[in-house]
Amino acid sequence: TQLLEQSPQFLSIQEGENLTVYCNSSSVFSSLQWYRQEPGEGPVLLVTVVTGGEVKKLKRLTFQFGDARKDSSLHITAAQPGDTGLYLCAGFPFSGGYNKLIFGAGTRLAVHP
Amino acid sequence: DSGVTQTPKHLITATGQRVTLRCSPRSGDLSVYWYQQSLDQGLQFLIQYYNGEERAKGNILERFSAQQFPDLHSELNLSSLELGDSALYFCASSVSVLNSYNEQFFGPGTRLTVL
Repeated sequence: TQLLEQSPQFLSIQEGENLTVYCNSSSVFSSLQWYRQEPGEGPVLLVTVVTGGEVKKLKRLTFQFGDARKDSSLHITAAQPGDTGLYLCAGFPFSGGYNKLIFGAGTRLAVHP
Repeated sequence: DSGVTQTPKHLITATGQRVTLRCSPRSGDLSVYWYQQSLDQGLQFLIQYYNGEERAKGNILERFSAQQFPDLHSELNLSSLELGDSALYFCASSVSVLNSYNEQFFGPGTRLTVL
């Protein structure tokens, strides 16, 4: 059973479209992180959200942490081909300390010109 | 470039063999983490070292072991290799383990293929 459920699993869109990726759990997390991974490379940290209800923006990317700290979303505005990649959410379960980062299965995004 | 280096980039070996994967953390980072990424399991935490000491264990097989040396580089040893051990192995490093901003920076990975 995946502690962090990501949806959708795959997303194929045209350049310029908006999209939202979801990361959900029945457990509370101390923090959630979003990574982007390209084929053959390691995940690259995009953002960390810590406070329930927190919203962070990174250019065209908007990240939100749920009020109850059980879910998060990533919204991309006007997607570009350079946004293509595997988006992973990861977090530290509230009772688990800050060692074991739990990852979701990822959302594979393809943005076509 | 995250500042975390891993060698080798690719490794092809046979079942039953033993291999060693190497990781150098970012300058100043005391924590090193090892992860396994396979198609069916996703990214799974294996083990963490902090300043030379083991701090946390995930779903690491008994055939696997790791250590962190005084210069803070780390090695992951995989023995009695099986076909199912074929995967990407990532090392990550971080400065602190004491708060929720324990942001980890990943290396480029080692792709292990067991034939």
